[in-house]
Amino acid sequence: ILNVEQSPQSLHVQEGDSTNFTCSFPSSNFYALHWYRWETAKSPEALFVMTLNGDEKKKGRISATLNTKEGYSYLYIKGSQPEDSATYLCPLRGCQGAQKLVFGQGTRLTINP
Amino acid sequence: DGGITQSPKYLFRKEGQNVTLSCEQNLNHDAMYWYRQDPGQGLRLIYYSQIVNDFQKGDIAEGYSVSREKKESFPLTVTSAQKNPTAFYLCASRTSGTYNEQFFGPGTRLTVL
Repeated sequence: ILNVEQSPQSLHVQEGDSTNFTCSFPSSNFYALHWYRWETAKSPEALFVMTLNGDEKKKGRISATLNTKEGYSYLYIKGSQPEDSATYLCPLRGCQGAQKLVFGQGTRLTINP
Repeated sequence: DGGITQSPKYLFRKEGQNVTLSCEQNLNHDAMYWYRQDPGQGLRLIYYSQIVNDFQKGDIAEGYSVSREKKESFPLTVTSAQKNPTAFYLCASRTSGTYNEQFFGPGTRLTVL
């Protein structure tokens, strides 16, 4: 059974500070990893799709890295803003033909003004 | 505007009643998904459909049923056999393609009294 672990589960950061959190997955079952941002009362929004070991993706102040050999991905937010407050999800696609994504519990980020 | 709609946003039902949750997409996506979220847990897959008139059970299909008569629509029925139906339900769709992400609706919160 595939298992995705996200840590920490909850994080409070001061506005302006940078932060990062982790998504761990079994390195033997990897095809692609997605990052989503899910703001309260909104739909989850896709941020990145990570596919290759060593991938680095960036979107504004948010970036992500991928290490498939050791089974983790980091999401970084530089200069946190209140609008970054959300739950961040990193579902895994375990193999090429897989139609399903496997989700962890998410990391709930709160930016304190 | 292209997107996924779920209605209603909040739904209350008495125990023992079946209830159907609506999910409509105008993105011309082939695949559609239903997830359930409970406090402290990641999204869990209930059912998915890759094409019209075809669907597969996800990880927690017991007590649920679906239909896929039209490409745009994938309604979920929560039956009286579902032992703990109170939860947040999220619908998603995805176009075919190796790494394509899923697009999510805003969700329906079902409370069974």
